[in-house]
Amino acid sequence: DADVTQTPRNRITKTGKRIMLECSQTKGHDRMYWYRQDPGLGLRLIYYSFDVKDINKGEISDGYSVSRQAQAKFSLSLESAIPNQTALYFCATSDHPGQSSYEQYFGPGTRLTVT
Amino acid sequence: KQEVTQIPAALSVPEGENLVLNCSFTDSAIYNLQWFRQDPGKGLTSLLLIQSSQREQTSGRLNASLDKSSGRSTLYIAASQPGDSATYLCAPYLYNTDKLIFGTGTRLQVFP
Repeated sequence: DADVTQTPRNRITKTGKRIMLECSQTKGHDRMYWYRQDPGLGLRLIYYSFDVKDINKGEISDGYSVSRQAQAKFSLSLESAIPNQTALYFCATSDHPGQSSYEQYFGPGTRLTVT
Repeated sequence: KQEVTQIPAALSVPEGENLVLNCSFTDSAIYNLQWFRQDPGKGLTSLLLIQSSQREQTSGRLNASLDKSSGRSTLYIAASQPGDSATYLCAPYLYNTDKLIFGTGTRLQVFP
């Protein structure tokens, strides 16, 4: 089984709809992240969480919210989807970068299209 | 603000060539640097991670070097194969912001 799973893998939704993307991990990591990827812009950080009670905004958090339901689960919500949120979304997990076990692991991605 | 630049942006080569992919970053205060591979429309696969105290890491035909003081890392791919075709991303992990910062990648195509 994959270490980091994301659901759904593909989603088409309409402008104004609320949508939730879910992420689960079996690595036992405290840190979880949500990124979006757009052609030509690379990966940009939306939100990140260093433990269940610690949630932080990334560089492009407007229009998004998150919930860390448990150490293993981190969900991303679009409260009212708009077309420029069409992108590939990735969840990732890691230990603290100072630890010898550190490595950032990525899920397979969710392709979201907002029409 | 940390900037990560990858050169070249795209590369098309016949199989068998030895390749050099370059990554430069402006903030040298990093924990480590990770190289990833991404196939079109797919997730990121970690290839190599170099700690800030290390100079290089090797995995099979891949070798990554790090010169933290000059803000550079290089990924060497030996004897390239068509299966190496993908986008390669470098990502240093910064002390100051406690985050991974991505370059925009080198898109590699290896043809038979």
